[in-house]
Amino acid sequence: EAGVAQSPRYKIIEKRQSVAFWCNPISGHATLYWYQQILGQGPKLLIQFQNNGVVDDSQLPKDRFSAERLKGVDSTLKIQPAKLEDSAVYLCASSHGTGTEAFFGQGTRLTVV
Amino acid sequence: AQSVSQHNHHVILSEAASLELGCNYSYGGTVNLFWYVQYPGQHLQLLLKYFSGDPLVKGIKGFEAEFIKSKFSFNLRKPSVQWSDTAEYFCAVRYSGGYQKVTFGTGTKLQVIP
Repeated sequence: EAGVAQSPRYKIIEKRQSVAFWCNPISGHATLYWYQQILGQGPKLLIQFQNNGVVDDSQLPKDRFSAERLKGVDSTLKIQPAKLEDSAVYLCASSHGTGTEAFFGQGTRLTVV
Repeated sequence: AQSVSQHNHHVILSEAASLELGCNYSYGGTVNLFWYVQYPGQHLQLLLKYFSGDPLVKGIKGFEAEFIKSKFSFNLRKPSVQWSDTAEYFCAVRYSGGYQKVTFGTGTKLQVIP
């Protein structure tokens, strides 16, 4: 079974630039999550999709972050404009449903300079 | 608000030593509990989970965890660690009902010395 795919693996941008991350979940998984993991901290949920609908985005900084999951499969997370404090690993995960465990991708390490 | 506490930030053990990593969560009703592991350079992987039933849960690679409801705890244990257990370990909790998010602890870095 193929795992959760994310790209790119690494990204370095200057502050105030824009960046986008892509995630392809495990086939058939209805629930998709985006987490932000700052160095030395645990993953923090940014947004959770059930199919193509958002079910939790309470911790997403909506003034600069946006995410979509068109057709209920792939998802993109965008930051516009980026700030220094956005430097982190962005993790995508998926699960069959909200009652099952999540499978994680390798993550995208973002460095904002 | 949901919260998870992992009290040990960095643990150093010699091979064959016993391991216990603490995890406590805030009260919030029925919970699902998880331990994830992240080996160097790899992605987060599920080590074990508790949904219901026997509070002593066995996972992969000889790990186990015990859910103690009265103490809001879900500590991870292994009788004898190996060098290959060097990794970061994350406890996570999800409160049942609706689309409850999974909240992670800050993680514990385990270093096993040969």
